[in-house]
Amino acid sequence: NAGVMQNPRHLVRRRGQEARLRCSPMKGHSHVYWYRQLPEEGLKFMVYLQKENIIDESGMPKERFSAEFPKEGPSILRIQQVVRGDSAAYFCASSNLPPADTQYFGPGTRLTVL
Amino acid sequence: TQLLEQSPQFLSIQEGENLTVYCNSSSVFSSLQWYRQEPGEGPVLLVTVVTGGEVKKLKRLTFQFGDARKDSSLHITAAQPGDTGLYLCAGEGRAGTYKYIFGTGTRLKVLA
Repeated sequence: NAGVMQNPRHLVRRRGQEARLRCSPMKGHSHVYWYRQLPEEGLKFMVYLQKENIIDESGMPKERFSAEFPKEGPSILRIQQVVRGDSAAYFCASSNLPPADTQYFGPGTRLTVL
Repeated sequence: TQLLEQSPQFLSIQEGENLTVYCNSSSVFSSLQWYRQEPGEGPVLLVTVVTGGEVKKLKRLTFQFGDARKDSSLHITAAQPGDTGLYLCAGEGRAGTYKYIFGTGTRLKVLA
């Protein structure tokens, strides 16, 4: 099964620590999207990346958040100096030939900030 | 700003009943997707509708895209406990954009 993989599935951090979330897209997909889902809310777009390029980061907070999708390896969403408000489920999706292609979602990483 | 409102927010029904979930907006979408999300998992795509007035069927699920492409509905016939989950609609604004705009979801529980 070559679906979208995310790890870790659950991540607990204390305030001020760093969180690194990983996403491996479906086989053959070179476009990755990150979304955040707060409790009882819908998913909100954060960032869209292609290999080695950030295409659109308009949904990502300006500070503490960064994303990358290197030539080799998974996409990484990095949150520095986490705060309680960062607690959420973070989902990664991938597609093959955007912009008109379906996005397939991974199982998500649930981040809890203590 | 494009928004998608889903109704009802919560729905609890008995096995065998029919139900309809709505997804509404004042904006036009070039396409609309329906997903089902189970606890602790990511959204799983059910269907994509593209043409105004389009109707698609997936076993006991019927999806319709409004003529003006501003709204959509999901109808489930003879609901089963396995249909329990969070149903999300997501719209693609301009054709060729990738920022899906998600509704807040309808949480369905089907009781045996």
